[in-house]
Amino acid sequence: AQSVTQPDIHITVSEGASLELRCNYSYGATPYLFWYVQSPGQGLQLLLKYFSGDTLVQGIKGFEAEFKRSQSSFNLRKPSVHWSDAAEYFCAVGARYKLTFGKGTLLTVNP
Amino acid sequence: ETGVTQTPRHLVMGMTNKKSLKCEQHLGHNAMYWYKQSAKKPLELMFVYSLEERVENNSVPSRFSPECPNSSHLFLHLHTLQPEDSALYLCASSQEWREVGTDTQYFGPGTRLTVL
Repeated sequence: AQSVTQPDIHITVSEGASLELRCNYSYGATPYLFWYVQSPGQGLQLLLKYFSGDTLVQGIKGFEAEFKRSQSSFNLRKPSVHWSDAAEYFCAVGARYKLTFGKGTLLTVNP
Repeated sequence: ETGVTQTPRHLVMGMTNKKSLKCEQHLGHNAMYWYKQSAKKPLELMFVYSLEERVENNSVPSRFSPECPNSSHLFLHLHTLQPEDSALYLCASSQEWREVGTDTQYFGPGTRLTVL
């Protein structure tokens, strides 16, 4: 069965600083990998997804993620964080119709 | 209305009450999902419907009863819940249900349920 680990429960960064959120997955085959964001009072919004091909994936809102098979990782990055990026971020691995989510990383952005 | 909407946004109920959560998608999708988001736990898939037919029941207790009268509407009927059922219940939809890699799931804002 697949699983996802997000090691950081809460991260605080200053506005304008770079960001990296970690995600490690466990899955026997080539995974489908996703990053979702959940703002307060909102549902989950898809930031980006990886199926195959180029291991660096570009998403919305200036986010990107890199798939590293050797490390079983799919870390999310942004070069310069904006205050509006404060939210909870979820990594997920997909198999057939099922998404398996991590517990999430809460991002706080200081002015 | 666009996307996936859920009502009510907040619900408080006693353990002996019966209530229903409603989800509506305006995306023309064929598949709909219920998820449970508890504090400090990952999102858990509860049910999957495709064209009004239930295709997955992820070992959910019978006190949760889903209903999908058409491909745009999904309900979750609740009865004799326990305090540990307090959570955010999220609805999602996708074009089809068989392959998450190609069929992106779009989520509603959720219903925050508190069971007293």
